[in-house]
Amino acid sequence: DTGVSQNPRHKITKRGQNVTFRCDPISEHNRLYWYRQTLGQGPEFLTYFQNEAQLEKSRLLSDRFSAERPKGSFSTLEIQRTEQGDSAMYLCASGGGPHQPQHFGDGTRLSIL
Amino acid sequence: AQTVTQSQPEMSVQEAETVTLSCTYDTSESDYYLFWYKQPPSRQMILVIRQEAYKQQNATENRFSVNFQKAAKSFSLKISDSQLGDAAMYFCAYRRTQGGSEKLVFGKGTKLTVNP
Repeated sequence: DTGVSQNPRHKITKRGQNVTFRCDPISEHNRLYWYRQTLGQGPEFLTYFQNEAQLEKSRLLSDRFSAERPKGSFSTLEIQRTEQGDSAMYLCASGGGPHQPQHFGDGTRLSIL
Repeated sequence: AQTVTQSQPEMSVQEAETVTLSCTYDTSESDYYLFWYKQPPSRQMILVIRQEAYKQQNATENRFSVNFQKAAKSFSLKISDSQLGDAAMYFCAYRRTQGGSEKLVFGKGTKLTVNP
């Protein structure tokens, strides 16, 4: 069990650029969750997958955001045309079932110049 | 919508002493999960303890225990024999058990400082 892995750890980009983050869940987990955490706040839910199916999306996930989990293993979160307000820590978590706890990765910190 | 409130932005405790972190929540559901997560500086969030709402017995994990008051919608975390490694942000979180949604709803967190 190597834990949830997220890459990159840090991403600095200019406003208007596209960015993509990757999350590798714990291998036997079929559920994968994305959250966003801004400074001084608790994480806010963005979306979650059961295997390759995206089952729930938050209203926070605007049309500039897209998440995929094509083979039910790793997931990517893409932000198009980044804005200053997108600066945050993006957290990924995975879980083994509907009643199992979620295990978090280290996060990807996004900074928009 | 469910909400989670942590009214203590910061708390401090002396090493080896006991501290209690507060959490209240709002829901119309009768069954749900409550969690305390710990987030050390620049490190990943770790599950500390979990409580199922239908269980009346308060959960305990070594030095960590909760006081779950369902009618009052209160879920406090007690840390006994505090250690320097307990210093972190602590987040209270809620999750439904029914209805398909598996999202965690977090409070804003309490920053715990442990003084030697």
